Amino acid sequence: GEDVEQSLFLSVREGDSSVINCTYTDSSSTYLYWYKQEPGAGLQLLTYIFSNMDMKQDQRLTVLLNKKDKHLSLRIADTQTGDSAIYFCAEVDQGNLIFGKGTKLSVKP
Amino acid sequence: EAGVTQFPSHSVIEKGQTVTLRCDPISGHDNLYWYRRVMGKEIKFLLHFVKESKQDESGMPNNRFLAERTGGTYSTLKVQPAELEDSGVYFCASSRDRGYEQYFGPGTRLTVT
Repeated sequence: GEDVEQSLFLSVREGDSSVINCTYTDSSSTYLYWYKQEPGAGLQLLTYIFSNMDMKQDQRLTVLLNKKDKHLSLRIADTQTGDSAIYFCAEVDQGNLIFGKGTKLSVKP
Repeated sequence: EAGVTQFPSHSVIEKGQTVTLRCDPISGHDNLYWYRRVMGKEIKFLLHFVKESKQDESGMPNNRFLAERTGGTYSTLKVQPAELEDSGVYFCASSRDRGYEQYFGPGTRLTVT
């Protein structure tokens, strides 16, 4: 079946850049997504990238897609303490989302 | 525009009891999805409605789970009888188009003791 893999933890200092990586298996995914879950909250759609794109930038967020290697990354520039959360990578399989286990980002002041 | 809402936010029940979770999607979203995350595992797809019809229920774990979406508006997910392994967070999501930009609710944390 389809599978999405992410590292479980990432710790950075405030002001540094964070890079969260993800690998996926379904090469037919039209879109790939990043969701953010803050403590006690639901999943917030953070950004997404269409599969025919290599890069998408949205303010402090940069998404890079390497289709050949099935590798997706999320870069957060100037990471703030408010960015501390769990970040989920997701691919689409027949209209439904396949999630990774999530990467817990800790931002130290 | 109001987001996806779920009720209750937290439910604690005993094994063998029944629980019904409710999801109200974003107005105008025909697609409604249920997902679940059990402790330490990935968020897993359960089922997908298009309006009132079940489009895909391949993720439903067993026949103790029953989902409905009467009238194509809100949806309910009933677990009867609940087992310990049903504990987890149940998320509902909705989208205008299938698979595209799914917006999630805050989830219902179900604890079966």
